[in-house]
Amino acid sequence: QVQLQESGPGLVKPSETLSLTCAVSGYSISSGYYWGWIRQPPGKGLEWIGSIYHSGSTYYNPSLKSRVTISVDTSKNQFSLKLSSVTAADTAVYYCAREHGDPYYYMDVWGKGTTVTVSS
Amino acid sequence: SYELTQPPSVSVSPGQTARITCSGDALPKQYAYWYQQKPGQAPVLVIYKDSERPSGIPERFSGSSSGTTVTLTISGVQAEDEADYYCQSADSSGTRVFGGGTKLTVL
Repeated sequence: QVQLQESGPGLVKPSETLSLTCAVSGYSISSGYYWGWIRQPPGKGLEWIGSIYHSGSTYYNPSLKSRVTISVDTSKNQFSLKLSSVTAADTAVYYCAREHGDPYYYMDVWGKGTTVTVSS
Repeated sequence: SYELTQPPSVSVSPGQTARITCSGDALPKQYAYWYQQKPGQAPVLVIYKDSERPSGIPERFSGSSSGTTVTLTISGVQAEDEADYYCQSADSSGTRVFGGGTKLTVL
């Protein structure tokens, strides 16, 4: 079955760039679907960050758009998130997920999540 | 920005029916989805397209829609259903939006 696994540094310094990768197994990214990132600050709710189509088209949350870049590497069957100029408010569990697109915008397979702390 | 509104908490006794609501102006035009999240775990999709249930989700989970409100209903609540539940939809531009979450307590 489809599985997703996040990886990346657990600690990032303020003003630096957060970089995470999501490795996909059991399904080829180039076959379709959208691939997205969602985060959850400690004790708070879920926030959609953005997603990318297998062709490379990207869709970002307007509230984060100026700082977010999502890319895909079909040769490695993985996709990545970069969030620049981070602050303590970016401390969260970051999830990657498989997404359905227009008109059904939802996530049906999730990674287990990775915790990222922004601190000096 | 578009918002989805959920009650912060709902409490029910085992065997009773729990209903969790989610309100949003765009819900008559966009489907709603529901996720269950237990402590320390990733969310799990329990309802999609307002009322469809993914394979593997117990039949006691159901969804409905009426105007600007969607409802997740859990019939015959079990202790294992205690979790946070999030509704999710999208605005007219395709931006995915989550509700604030509802903590379901099984008394």
